[in-house]
Amino acid sequence: QLQLQESGSGLMKPSQTLSLTCAVSGGSINSGGYSWSWIRQPPGKGLEWIGYSYHSGSTYYTPSLKSRVTISVDRSKNQFSLRLSSVTAADTAVYYCAREGDPGWFHPWGQGTLVTVSS
Amino acid sequence: QSVLTQPPSASGTPGQRVTISCSGSSSNIGRSYVYWYQQLPGTAPKLLISRNNQRPSGVPDRFSGSKSGTSASLAISGLRSEDEADYYCAAWDDSLSDVIFGGGTKLTVL
Repeated sequence: QLQLQESGSGLMKPSQTLSLTCAVSGGSINSGGYSWSWIRQPPGKGLEWIGYSYHSGSTYYTPSLKSRVTISVDRSKNQFSLRLSSVTAADTAVYYCAREGDPGWFHPWGQGTLVTVSS
Repeated sequence: QSVLTQPPSASGTPGQRVTISCSGSSSNIGRSYVYWYQQLPGTAPKLLISRNNQRPSGVPDRFSGSKSGTSASLAISGLRSEDEADYYCAAWDDSLSDVIFGGGTKLTVL
């Protein structure tokens, strides 16, 4: 069965660039019809969709983060990545990766990784 | 404040039937599929209901979804203690060009 696992920077300082990777196992990131997404959840708050990339490299980002976000796919490593520039404390959250089908359909999810931005 | 409105909390006793609402507009629920997610404490969200009312494989038939106009609902029958979790609705919003989530509903099993 398909499994996703996040890894990357946990504690960051303001203005730095957040970098996370999601390793995909039990299936190929080249699967047609799906995109590869990032979603975040600030501590004690709700979910916020960040964006996605297809294996082709085609991307879409939520408008509020578009200027700071890059999502990319590494087909050779069967993984995809998130970069978020100029982070602030407001970017402190658990970051999840997930496979996306229809807009709003996310399955499965990674276990999530906490990123804390603090000076 | 979320574009999709959910009650912040809901509760019920074991065996009861509970419903959680998700209210939107013509730009989201009114024209898009609604999805529901269950987030158990300390874990990642899990897809519970797909395309308004379809249960993915492995989801008990105690869980059901419905949609009417610009609102959707999640119903849980035969409530169990393990159903205690946060529940989120999600949909695409044409006006925002964005996937949006409801603010979440914390379900307590008394």
